[in-house]
Amino acid sequence: DAGVIQSPRHEVTEMGQEVTLRCKPISGHNSLFWYRQTMMRGLELLIYFNNNVPIDDSGMPEDRFSAKMPNASFSTLKIQPSEPRDSAVYFCASSARTSGVEYEQYFGPGTRLTVT
Amino acid sequence: AQSVTQPDIHITVSEGASLELRCNYSYGATPYLFWYVQSPGQGLQLLLKYFSGDTLVQGIKGFEAEFKRSQSSFNLRKPSVHWSDAAEYFCAVGPGYSTLTFGKGTMLLVSP
Repeated sequence: DAGVIQSPRHEVTEMGQEVTLRCKPISGHNSLFWYRQTMMRGLELLIYFNNNVPIDDSGMPEDRFSAKMPNASFSTLKIQPSEPRDSAVYFCASSARTSGVEYEQYFGPGTRLTVT
Repeated sequence: AQSVTQPDIHITVSEGASLELRCNYSYGATPYLFWYVQSPGQGLQLLLKYFSGDTLVQGIKGFEAEFKRSQSSFNLRKPSVHWSDAAEYFCAVGPGYSTLTFGKGTMLLVSP
C-alpha cells in the first residue's frame, strides 16, 4: 500500500492567499484526521471525519479554516485567507473504523506550510 | 479535559545506554495510552499502545512502556539505544485511537 498521501509536501505563500492542502487516505480506511504541528502548541487535532462526515471539528481554529471530504479517497484542508501564524506542518492520518471499533491511525508525511 | 505532559524537551543518550522517556497524563476515565515516533520529515509511527491488561506493554523496535495508574504515568523504555533511534517521541492519550491528545514531544539525541 502507498500509505497516506499528502500534497504538496511544501507550500510557501503570502499572507492573504488561499491555501489548499490535500490528502488521500489509505484505501479501505473510513476515518480521516487532520492535525497541525507547531513548536508552541505541539500536535493538535483539527478535524476528524468518519465515512466522509465530520464528527469532531472542535479543533478548527477559526472560520478561515475549512475541511471537506467529498469521497472516501480524498480530503482537503483550506485556509482562506492565510496568515503568518498558520505556518506549521499539517498532517493527515487515516484509520479503519468497524462496528464502532477504531483502529490504528496511519500518518502521512505532512505538508510544511510557510506563510510570509 | 485530557492532557499529556512530557517533561523533557530534549534527551541525549549514548549509543548502547538505556533510555527512559517520561510521560504523565490527565484523563477522566480509563485511559488509552500511546507512544509514537517521528523521524525527520516523516509522519508519526505507532510504537506501542496500552488499552488494558498487563501494565507492561511491548512495542516495535525493542521499546516497552509501563502504565502506572497511581502515578498517572506511561514511561517509555529501551534497554540499549541504537543511533537509528534518534527521533522525536510523542506520548498520547484518548478514548481509543481517535481524538488523541498528544504531548509536545521529546527529542532523543544519540551520541556515539
